[in-house]
Amino acid sequence: GAGVSQSPSNKVTEKGKDVELRCDPISGHTALYWYRQSLGQGLEFLIYFQGNSAPDKSGLPSDRFSAERTGGSVSTLTIQRTQQEDSAVYLCASSVGMTGELFFGEGSRLTVL
Amino acid sequence: GENVEQHPSTLSVQEGDSAVIKCTYSDSASNYFPWYKQELGKRPQLIIDIRSNVGEKKDQRIAVTLNKTAKHFSLHITETQPEDSAVYFCAADSSASKIIFGSGTRLSIRP
Repeated sequence: GAGVSQSPSNKVTEKGKDVELRCDPISGHTALYWYRQSLGQGLEFLIYFQGNSAPDKSGLPSDRFSAERTGGSVSTLTIQRTQQEDSAVYLCASSVGMTGELFFGEGSRLTVL
Repeated sequence: GENVEQHPSTLSVQEGDSAVIKCTYSDSASNYFPWYKQELGKRPQLIIDIRSNVGEKKDQRIAVTLNKTAKHFSLHITETQPEDSAVYFCAADSSASKIIFGSGTRLSIRP
């Protein structure tokens, strides 16, 4: 596709359930990021993948959060045992190399009831 | 790790006036400083960036300045227009190459 694609665009779940959010980056982009944006707030770094290197997981808020990137392309962010404070928009971005323009997806809006 | 501070959190200026947003960073190894604009309900988009070998960069009504010694950089928007209303984020790369964002500035242009 022409841009970064994220799914689902909206997800409503019950507290305690697991959710998976998917990101399909721009073809050929080696860097992939996940950020979290709570209502009216900034872009909180979660995790960063660069090529075949080990991911930088330093932003994951708890061990309930995990992410993987298969074949250097599609990435899945998994949140286990969701809590109400996990409600936010989860944004994925990709870039050609280590430092360069980030292209963001539309985001996945997660609501935990 | 890298920490990026951004001020002010909100800014209201009269149409036609200038707006300035300031950021500081902590990682002296940072070399790349982009600025993103996020309009209401939309995704962030890059508007301008600067690398550490340059002190200033300009693109039409937008300019960025960088002071590596003081570890701060600024966004200047001149002749502001209604379409400049948005949230602006500064960012910096860390020594680990990841991009860390400031907390954002909500800019409002008064007609």
